[in-house]
Amino acid sequence: LAKTTQPISMDSYEGQEVNITCSHNNIATNDYITWYQQFPSQGPRFIIQGYKTKVTNEVASLFIPADRKSSTLSLPRVSLSDTAVYYCLVGDARENAGNMLTFGGGTRLMVKP
Amino acid sequence: EAGVAQSPRYKIIEKRQSVAFWCNPISGHATLYWYQQILGQGPKLLIQFQNNGVVDDSQLPKDRFSAERLKGVDSTLKIQPAKLEDSAVYLCASSLVMAASYEQYFGPGTRLTVT
Repeated sequence: LAKTTQPISMDSYEGQEVNITCSHNNIATNDYITWYQQFPSQGPRFIIQGYKTKVTNEVASLFIPADRKSSTLSLPRVSLSDTAVYYCLVGDARENAGNMLTFGGGTRLMVKP
Repeated sequence: EAGVAQSPRYKIIEKRQSVAFWCNPISGHATLYWYQQILGQGPKLLIQFQNNGVVDDSQLPKDRFSAERLKGVDSTLKIQPAKLEDSAVYLCASSLVMAASYEQYFGPGTRLTVT
């Protein structure tokens, strides 16, 4: 399983763009990159997923360079409600491959007013 | 669409007692996961089911933890006997297909306190 490394914590202010970078140097060919968000007292929630280049949804963007050894989650114009822990995970996208995502410690994002 | 249901939401027991957690995944989801999340850490996978078969339980402390998924739907996780270090949130998740490209849907979790 590919190991991921991400900053332990980050601070930002309301209205700013936040970029959280994750390193996954030993990512495999069939691996997808997925980000989850977790609020206190809740289970993690899927944010975005990608394989290469750029993916965008209504919540965030995910930038993946050509070598795929890192990825960056971009949250545009954060608000106080974006204060949460963000997890970067890498796992085999093939069906029945034994989808065992490994959660690291995540990045604790604190958004200040 | 109903989400993943878990019960109870909170449980306080003394060490050496036993406890059981229940999970009802999203209808039609073949894959079910149990995670343990200790305060301040990321979730740790304990066991993964594909329908009613175990795919991976390598991180399940089998001397005290057990889990089953009867009929490939609901699942129970049991701890017997509990230790102080078992205090954590136990999360259940499900996904439609067993692949990392498919989203895992998490339940609210059961917060266990062992005294």
